[in-house]
Amino acid sequence: NAGVMQNPRHLVRRRGQEARLRCSPVKGHSHVYWYRQLPEEGLKFMVYLQKENIIDESGMPKERFSAEFPKEGPSILRIQQVVRGDSAAYFCASSPLGHRTDTQYFGPGTRLTVL
Amino acid sequence: QKEVEQDPGPLSVPEGAIVSLNCTYSNSAFQYFMWYRQYSRKGPELLMYTYSSGNKEDGRFTAQVDKSSKYISLFIRDSQPSDSATYLCAMSASKSGGSNYKLTFGKGTLLTVNP
Repeated sequence: NAGVMQNPRHLVRRRGQEARLRCSPVKGHSHVYWYRQLPEEGLKFMVYLQKENIIDESGMPKERFSAEFPKEGPSILRIQQVVRGDSAAYFCASSPLGHRTDTQYFGPGTRLTVL
Repeated sequence: QKEVEQDPGPLSVPEGAIVSLNCTYSNSAFQYFMWYRQYSRKGPELLMYTYSSGNKEDGRFTAQVDKSSKYISLFIRDSQPSDSATYLCAMSASKSGGSNYKLTFGKGTLLTVNP
C-alpha cells in the first residue's frame, strides 16, 4: 500500500540550472499539493492541483516556478534558473476525491541544494 | 505577528514523561486543527485531526483545542524514545461548502525522549 512517492529524494543543482521534482500521489488520490520548507521555517503552501488543472497557485513565486499534474504520470514541480534561495525541502501531499482536502498525506520530500 | 506560533524547543524529556506541545494562532478563521509528526529527513505524518473545542484522545495522544484562547495542545502520555521527532501543528480555515486545503503550519517543536 504505497504512500506518496517523491523523487529524487536529494537534488543538487548549480545556480541557473533547472530543477524538476516529481510526485506520485497515493493510488486513487486526485488532489495534489506542494509545500516548501525553508531552513528554520514551517511548511508553506505553494500550489494545489487536480488532474490537468491548477486550482490554486497563490503560494508559488510568480517567476521561475511552475507545476503540473497531467492526466497520466506524476505531478511535476519545475524551478527554472535556480538561485541559492531555492534551497529547501519540497513536500508533496495528496488527498482523495470526495474527502476533506485538509486531510493530506505527505511524501518524504525532495531536498534541493543549489550551489 | 505570525499566524501560527510554535515554540521550536528543543524539548528533552525522560522516557515515561508526559509531554505537552503547544501552538497559538491569531487568525479567527482557523477552524480545523492538525498535529503532524516528522521524523528526521522524512515527510510529516498526520497524527491527530480536530475541529471543535475540547479534547480528542487517540491512544497515548490527546489533542486539545481552546478556540476562545486561540490555543491548541498535544499531550503525549508515557512518552517513548520512538516518539522523538519534530511535531508540527497545522490549521485550516473553514470554507463555504467544504474544507480548506491550504494548511498553515507552525515551525515545529523538536522532541527528544531519552531512555
